[in-house]
Amino acid sequence: QVQLQESGPGLVKPSETLSLTCTVSDGSISNYYWTWIRQPPGERLEWIGNIDYTGSTNYNPSLKSRVTISVDTSKNQFSLKVDSVTAADTAVYYCATGAGWLPVYWGLGTLVTVSS
Amino acid sequence: EIVLTQSPGTLSLSPGERATLSCRASQSVRSSYLAWYQRKPGQAPRILIYGASSRATGIPDRFSGTESGTDFTLTISRLEPEDFAVYYCQQYGSSPLTFGGGTKVEIK
Repeated sequence: QVQLQESGPGLVKPSETLSLTCTVSDGSISNYYWTWIRQPPGERLEWIGNIDYTGSTNYNPSLKSRVTISVDTSKNQFSLKVDSVTAADTAVYYCATGAGWLPVYWGLGTLVTVSS
Repeated sequence: EIVLTQSPGTLSLSPGERATLSCRASQSVRSSYLAWYQRKPGQAPRILIYGASSRATGIPDRFSGTESGTDFTLTISRLEPEDFAVYYCQQYGSSPLTFGGGTKVEIK
């Protein structure tokens, strides 16, 4: 079964770039869609976007101008960058994957706080 | 985007009881692409149902999903102690993918 683990700084300053990496084990990164989802405190889960094995990306329009998702097949990792963060970007960030757009396997999530 | 409204927000039940969770979509969900997830503290979300009514691999048959137009229901026929958790619906038929606000099933 595919396992995913998010990693990255837990604290980011306002206006800076949030960067997270998801490491995939027990599965090839070349065969699936790779997704980022977040949940701000007290709010619902929010789909950020995904990338497929060809490198084609899809983003939530609400975040599209600030988000980049990329994949490094040599390291079995995919990454998320969110530019110009504010307190509203404070959330638990999840990476997830599935054979299509449906996220089947999820990581445990990592809390990122935006604060000076 | 499709807005998913889950109800109730909290369901207080005893083990052995039946749980009925609702998810209403603001518009038609393409190809019944509606999933249900379970989330427990400290654990990764687990997919239970996809395609509105298909159980994911390894999910017990006490979990079932149904669809009626834009109304979707997750039923847990007899609650086991491990079923007390938060449940989310999600549509993956159109972009952006969206989630419901969640239903917490707690022990009465």
